[in-house]
Amino acid sequence: DAKTTQPPSMDCAEGRAANLPCNHSTISGNEYVYWYRQIHSQGPQYIIHGLKNNETNEMASLIITEDRKSSTLILPHATLRDTAVYYCIVRVANSGYSTLTFGKGTMLLVSP
Amino acid sequence: KAGVTQTPRYLIKTRGQQVTLSCSPISGHRSVSWYQQTPGQGLQFLFEYFSETQRNKGNFPGRFSGRQFSNSRSEMNVSTLELGDSALYLCASSFQGLTDIQYFGAGTRLSVL
Repeated sequence: DAKTTQPPSMDCAEGRAANLPCNHSTISGNEYVYWYRQIHSQGPQYIIHGLKNNETNEMASLIITEDRKSSTLILPHATLRDTAVYYCIVRVANSGYSTLTFGKGTMLLVSP
Repeated sequence: KAGVTQTPRYLIKTRGQQVTLSCSPISGHRSVSWYQQTPGQGLQFLFEYFSETQRNKGNFPGRFSGRQFSNSRSEMNVSTLELGDSALYLCASSFQGLTDIQYFGAGTRLSVL
């Protein structure tokens, strides 16, 4: 699986959009971009994933650049409960294996 | 639909003892994976079970073992505990569909004294 690079921390005001970047310049054509988050003392939570088109669900939007070398997770209206570590992962989907490799992630702090 | 359930949530053991952790996956999920999370090493993959067979294994010593039952529930065992085994142990289940999304439990926090 390709490696990813994320900023170690970011701040966001409550109610504003949080834009979390991820660099994955060595991504392969069959690798998806996944985002998970982990709130303190809880297990990681799946947020969203995509291959090359932008994706949106009830939690967030995922914007992937045309060359697929980077992506941005957007939380449109951040709340205090969105404070967590956000992990960007690149992996092959439907590979028959379930292993995940989490990097250091980005610690997002949402403030009032 | 119930999520992934891990028991117990907290455990305190002493060096040399053994421990068994339990994981009940989401109904219908046949794949169960185990991870160890520590502040220094982050999230590390232990092993994955699918339909009662170990399908993939991470780089952990043989003291770490697991199994999966016919109802997809899984157990993880650590023998001869060491201080360095203190960690949050996470279980994740998936259906093995096209995207193979992992759904995690809340974890079992193991402290070895």
